[in-house]
Amino acid sequence: AQSVSQHNHHVILSEAASLELGCNYSYGGTVNLFWYVQYPGQHLQLLLKYFSGDPLVKGIKGFEAEFIKSKFSFNLRKPSVQWSDTAEYFCAVNAKNRDDKIIFGKGTRLHILP
Amino acid sequence: GAVVSQHPSRVICKSGTSVKIECRSLDFQATTMFWYRQFPKKSLMLMATSNEGSKATYEQGVEKDKFLINHASLTLSTLTVTSAHPEDSSFYICSATRTSSLNEQFFGPGTRLTVL
Repeated sequence: AQSVSQHNHHVILSEAASLELGCNYSYGGTVNLFWYVQYPGQHLQLLLKYFSGDPLVKGIKGFEAEFIKSKFSFNLRKPSVQWSDTAEYFCAVNAKNRDDKIIFGKGTRLHILP
Repeated sequence: GAVVSQHPSRVICKSGTSVKIECRSLDFQATTMFWYRQFPKKSLMLMATSNEGSKATYEQGVEKDKFLINHASLTLSTLTVTSAHPEDSSFYICSATRTSSLNEQFFGPGTRLTVL
């Protein structure tokens, strides 16, 4: 069965700090990987996704993530965070070519201090 | 494009009553719709997957007689929480995939259910 681990439950950073949120998954086959963001009071939005090709994926708002197959990881990064990045971030995995189900991690609550 | 709406956004009901939540894809036809439950400070838990015109597939541990899912058309799925109890209070979120972008889910804004 697939599972997703997000190691940081709550992260607090100052503006302009660099961000890296960890995500590891367990599944032996080929996967599609996602990061979703949920801003306060809003619904989930796709931040970026990896299906195939270049393992370094760039998403919206300056976020990027790197798929490292050997480490089963898909960490999210941003070189300089802003107060508006305060949100909850979810890593998710889908077993490619099996079904449409996406398994979510427990989320990381990011709080940016102004 | 790819907007998903949910109605109502918030509902409060008495214990023992049933509540229906609608999920609509506004500008695309949804191949598949999903229903999630989100507990406070926890992740989304997939409850069931539904395809238009067929029975929903429920995840292990989810009571199908309690959480009735109807996917009547390519743009509408409903979740009915039957005989609701306080422990059913939660945030229910639906999502949908479209034929042109399988594996990418578009999420609704969620429905906050409070059972008194």
